[in-house]
Amino acid sequence: QSVLTQPPSVSAAPGQKVTISCSGSSSNIGNNYVSWYHHLPGTAPKLLIYDNDKRPSGIPDRFSGSKSGTSATLGITGLQTGDEADYYCGTWDSSLRAVVFGGGTQLTVL
Amino acid sequence: EMQLVESGGALVQPGGSLRLSCAASGFTFSRYDMHWVRQVTGKGLEWVAAIGTLADTFYPVSVKGRFTISRENAKNSLYLQMNSLRAGDTAVYYCARGITTGWGHTAFDIWGQGTMVTVSS
Repeated sequence: QSVLTQPPSVSAAPGQKVTISCSGSSSNIGNNYVSWYHHLPGTAPKLLIYDNDKRPSGIPDRFSGSKSGTSATLGITGLQTGDEADYYCGTWDSSLRAVVFGGGTQLTVL
Repeated sequence: EMQLVESGGALVQPGGSLRLSCAASGFTFSRYDMHWVRQVTGKGLEWVAAIGTLADTFYPVSVKGRFTISRENAKNSLYLQMNSLRAGDTAVYYCARGITTGWGHTAFDIWGQGTMVTVSS
């Protein structure tokens, strides 16, 4: 059971927008910064968003992040078949003194 | 090019030990927090250990007391000593760089390709 809660799967058509939610508590999301990762099994995960809403160099602005209270959201616009992957949220948990991840969300581009 | 390369993954018997290494290049290793993250096949990412620039360390309950993270800045190297291994530790282990300082800002911007650890008799 993950500390952060994500939907197991989401889907949308090419060109459309999708959002992935990540729910936590005051000890993690509520008082720390959230990051998001793209992961294809067998490959290295890729950082998409850090500090809630910042994009690393090279990440297109189709990807966006936001945070409100104890929840965070990853948005992806202009969906492409190449976006199909697992997406994870992560943050620091001040009570556990540990990094925590969500269980991951599988994105299907129909 | 900034890069992390893991090594040391192997097949080990339950109760055994293994030491993973991660060689860093292309950046000033000593200035960054470093982490180990694993993925069990078919399951999600799980954070395993962290070491700060001042060698402060953190672990989840699942590995605390069994795993030890360390770093050797002069060799640009990160290590994970794993003892009392269990079947549930079978996973791909990634080393990852913390993008900035401050644990509350933890995010991993550079990842290695991973090394496979299999715990089985």
